[in-house]
Amino acid sequence: QVHLVQSGAEVKKPGSSVKVSCKASGGTFNSTTITWVRQAPGQGLEWMGRIIPILDEASSAQKFQGRVMITADKSTNTAYMELSSLRFEDTAVYYCASPSDGVFYHGLDVWGQGTTVTVSS
Amino acid sequence: EIVLTQSPGTLSLSPGERATLSCRASQGVSTYLAWYQQKPGQAPRLLIYGASSRATGIPDRFSGSGSGTDFTLTISRLEPEDFAVYFCQQYGGSPVTFGQGTKVEMK
Repeated sequence: QVHLVQSGAEVKKPGSSVKVSCKASGGTFNSTTITWVRQAPGQGLEWMGRIIPILDEASSAQKFQGRVMITADKSTNTAYMELSSLRFEDTAVYYCASPSDGVFYHGLDVWGQGTTVTVSS
Repeated sequence: EIVLTQSPGTLSLSPGERATLSCRASQGVSTYLAWYQQKPGQAPRLLIYGASSRATGIPDRFSGSGSGTDFTLTISRLEPEDFAVYFCQQYGGSPVTFGQGTKVEMK
């Protein structure tokens, strides 16, 4: 069973960057997709992008293009989401998620614990 | 971008009652529709994928239906642990999008 563990909370200044990691264990990292979703305080879920590690193929929502970089390190089974030019409205909990059987159609049934990113001056 | 509109925004019900949640897509998504439950301070939990397939370990009081643009999540008899926020998600179009959520609260 895939298990995702994310890096710890971050406090960042406006204009800086943050890099959140998501380490997978217990499953087949290379044959799945890792999706990044964020949730601002009291708000809904927002899809940011995803990566297919075996193909090194990443895509992101147009809203974040130019500011987000999603990567994966197959040697350590770790995915990364880096968001640059941070704004106050980027304050949110950032989640990574994946289908445990690697089948995209089967939805996101495995989630990391979430990483709180606070943008504050 | 495909917009998902969930209704109602809030549903006030008592344990044992039936809950019916709606999710409407601005364009057809076939059956690429999932439902998630989220409780405060927790990550979302997958309930339904492919519009009507229950995820592993999900009780059979949860059921999903629909295809194309109109989808429904039904909770046949609410248990105390079912009071939460529910989100629909479409993954048939790019980008993937979520609905704004329906809160099921105890009356």
